[in-house]
Amino acid sequence: AQSVTQPDIHITVSEGASLELRCNYSYGATPYLFWYVQSPGQGLQLLLKYFSGDTLVQGIKGFEAEFKRSQSSFNLRKPSVHWSDAAEYFCAVAHPETYKYIFGTGTRLKVLA
Amino acid sequence: DGGITQSPKYLFRKEGQNVTLSCEQNLNHDAMYWYRQDPGQGLRLIYYSQIVNDFQKGDIAEGYSVSREKKESFPLTVTSAQKNPTAFYLCASSQGQGAGEQYFGPGTRLTVT
Repeated sequence: AQSVTQPDIHITVSEGASLELRCNYSYGATPYLFWYVQSPGQGLQLLLKYFSGDTLVQGIKGFEAEFKRSQSSFNLRKPSVHWSDAAEYFCAVAHPETYKYIFGTGTRLKVLA
Repeated sequence: DGGITQSPKYLFRKEGQNVTLSCEQNLNHDAMYWYRQDPGQGLRLIYYSQIVNDFQKGDIAEGYSVSREKKESFPLTVTSAQKNPTAFYLCASSQGQGAGEQYFGPGTRLTVT
């Protein structure tokens, strides 16, 4: 079955520390991959996406993610976290030829001052 | 500015009543989606529409209905048959076929008592 796993429900980091949020997927073929961020009570905003090519992709707000086919992973990273990064982060996959997306259950990030 | 609007932001209904959530986009996108979000469960797809006058059930369509009479609009009706309707509802849209970036509205929080 197709699925997306975000193993960390909550993560707490200090401001200025590095961050890595994990995402693993189970899919028949290499899907399109996305990371979204959601502030409380708001919609989702796209941080970055991977369709093909370079496996390290840069996104907005200083985020990057690396696609590792052998590990079926698409982990999100940021070298130095800011207090404004506190939010919930969702990994998602989609097949290039369909309209359906599969979202992970999300990782809630807390940033300590 | 182009985007997706959802109204109202908060909605309260009595059990047994049908309620319709509004979603409008001016991005000229072909595809539109409705998701339900519950704490710890990520986003679950209710319905999606690839083109006007056509829509497909998602993973949790029971107790919901939609229409797509105009490209810009994709209203969702939560019927009295939905056993647990209290949730945060997100509308999204995307351009073209397959797996492009999804743009999300700000969401509607429905509370049924």
